[in-house]
Amino acid sequence: EVQLVESGGALIQPGGSLKLSCAASGFTLSTHEMNWVRQAPGKGLEWVSYISSSGSIVKYADSVKGRFTISRDNAKSSLYLQMNSLRAEDTAVYYCATTRGFYDGVGFYDVVDPWGQGTQVTVSS
Amino acid sequence: DIQLTQSPSSLSASVGDRVTITCRASQSISKNLNWYQQKPGKAPKLLIYAASSLQGWVPSRFSGSGSGTDFTLTISNLQPEDLAVYFCQQSYSTPPLTFGQGTRLDLK
Repeated sequence: EVQLVESGGALIQPGGSLKLSCAASGFTLSTHEMNWVRQAPGKGLEWVSYISSSGSIVKYADSVKGRFTISRDNAKSSLYLQMNSLRAEDTAVYYCATTRGFYDGVGFYDVVDPWGQGTQVTVSS
Repeated sequence: DIQLTQSPSSLSASVGDRVTITCRASQSISKNLNWYQQKPGKAPKLLIYAASSLQGWVPSRFSGSGSGTDFTLTISNLQPEDLAVYFCQQSYSTPPLTFGQGTRLDLK
């Protein structure tokens, strides 16, 4: 079974740091691009960060640039998100999610699938 | 970055109704539009990809259409288990992943 499992979420004070992990099983993580996506309480989905399959290309949303760092260890089938200088507005459920190509009979189209179950990060004093 | 405008933001319907949700892109994205279903406390699940291709688990009462900038998700014969939040997402130019604001579907 293809599965992603996040961990590391916690209640943390503003200005603090936290590292999220995402463990993959049932598929070869090293061949897939990965993302972190977050969802604030009662809100929509916000893309946070992207990393290429090799780890050589990383991208960030402007809201976290300079504070968050995405990384991966393909040998351990794991994805990480180091979050520093946390703010109240970073409070959200954080999901790791895979980008992969699906074939519709004509061409390949990228989808975000699967997603992990999410881990809660709460930034509050 | 490509922006997606989804409407309506919320929708109340009855069992058996036909429901339509729209998603408009800020530029042409061909067929590169996906739909996700999210139930309370759960992660989003891929529902439809490439604008109209259903994932294997999706009942045939769901359908997707559109290309270019305008897309539609339709649920015919609404069932209680369809109550969820639905998001569109463009895959034409990523990263960043961009999502619509979501449509909350509940029972009237």
